[in-house]
Amino acid sequence: GIQVEQSPPDLILQEGANSTLRCNFSDSVNNLQWFHQNPWGQLINLFYIPSGTKQNGRLSATTVATERYSLLYISSSQTTDSGVYFCAVWGGGADGLTFGKGTHLIIQP
Amino acid sequence: DGGITQSPKYLFRKEGQNVTLSCEQNLNHDAMYWYRQDPGQGLRLIYYSQIVNDFQKGDIAEGYSVSREKKESFPLTVTSAQKNPTAFYLCGSGANVLTFGAGSRLTVL
Repeated sequence: GIQVEQSPPDLILQEGANSTLRCNFSDSVNNLQWFHQNPWGQLINLFYIPSGTKQNGRLSATTVATERYSLLYISSSQTTDSGVYFCAVWGGGADGLTFGKGTHLIIQP
Repeated sequence: DGGITQSPKYLFRKEGQNVTLSCEQNLNHDAMYWYRQDPGQGLRLIYYSQIVNDFQKGDIAEGYSVSREKKESFPLTVTSAQKNPTAFYLCGSGANVLTFGAGSRLTVL
């Protein structure tokens, strides 16, 4: 099956800093999503981005499908951005998303 | 509001007991999924269902069972055969973009 690797595994930043999270995947994908998991465990969709670039406020994402990676950018970080960010990909079969192990982001005031 | 409801949020079980986790969605989605999350890990697929009365095993189905008698409902039973059931369980639904419930945290005493 498809392998998904996220980096870095942990990231500690001061409020106001910018960050870049990376997701590498091992095969062609039809679907790529970025999620934020809050401290209570809820997974929130951030982006559906199988290719190209999207922006939503302080967050943006870019997927280069031909090179099998995606990047999530967070600008002007706030403490509420803390949590775990997951990249998940779908290879086209019926068996749903394959998740990476996540990047644990801590934003300090 | 449309969404996915999981219950209970917290569940404690004695060894040897079966427990059933509920997942109900009002998003009119055909496809539903159960994932398991262990501390510091990504999500792993347990079972999925593309349509009513049909479901397939995911990567870690041993010790679990499901049913899909209604489009809205996809309950997961954690049986006594599951050797390490303590985990966080997430139910999702959707075709291209997956939406998740708030999760159920199961602890075996």
